[in-house]
Amino acid sequence: AQSVAQPEDQVNVAEGNPLTVKCTYSVSGNPYLFWYVQYPNRGLQFLLKYITGDNLVKGSYGFEAEFNKSQTSFHLKKPSALVSDSALYFCAVRGYSSASKIIFGSGTRLSIRP
Amino acid sequence: NAGVTQTPKFQVLKTGQSMTLQCAQDMNHNSMYWYRQDPGMGLRLIYYSASEGTTDKGEVPNGYNVSRLNKREFSLRLESAAPSQTSVYFCASSEAQQALGSPLHFGNGTRLTVT
Repeated sequence: AQSVAQPEDQVNVAEGNPLTVKCTYSVSGNPYLFWYVQYPNRGLQFLLKYITGDNLVKGSYGFEAEFNKSQTSFHLKKPSALVSDSALYFCAVRGYSSASKIIFGSGTRLSIRP
Repeated sequence: NAGVTQTPKFQVLKTGQSMTLQCAQDMNHNSMYWYRQDPGMGLRLIYYSASEGTTDKGEVPNGYNVSRLNKREFSLRLESAAPSQTSVYFCASSEAQQALGSPLHFGNGTRLTVT
């Protein structure tokens, strides 16, 4: 069975500092991994994905994520946080089977203080 | 670009009432999905439609029915609403269920309260 865990309900970072939002996953075989962001009263927006290739994936708004197969992790990172990055972030995983569904983590609220 | 459009944005129902949540996408996507979002639980898949003419159950289908009316539209029906169905409902679409790396595109949600 697939699963994804976001161990932190909330992450607080000062503006200008680097940020990391953690995600670990469990799936049979190789995973497809995604990060989405949700702003208040909006649907989720796609940020980036890992399918294969380079372990460091770059996405929208300066975000990147690092795939680590041995640790089954896909942490979201940004070198310098902005107040406007404050939002709810979701990690998601999908297996290689065409019958596989996308499973979402419980979300991490990122708060950037000025 | 409208993307994925959901109606209504808000709804309050009494226990036992029925309603249909509407969803339409204009991206020519083959696959459509209904999720519910509850605090601390992330998004849970209710039903999905891999392509026009097909629907399948997700993680939490009990109490819901769906209709894939055509390629653009995918509706979610609550036949007899219960307080446990109070949630925010999101419709999403993607190019194809088989296109495993294609991301989901979400609507802005319907906030449903059942009293």
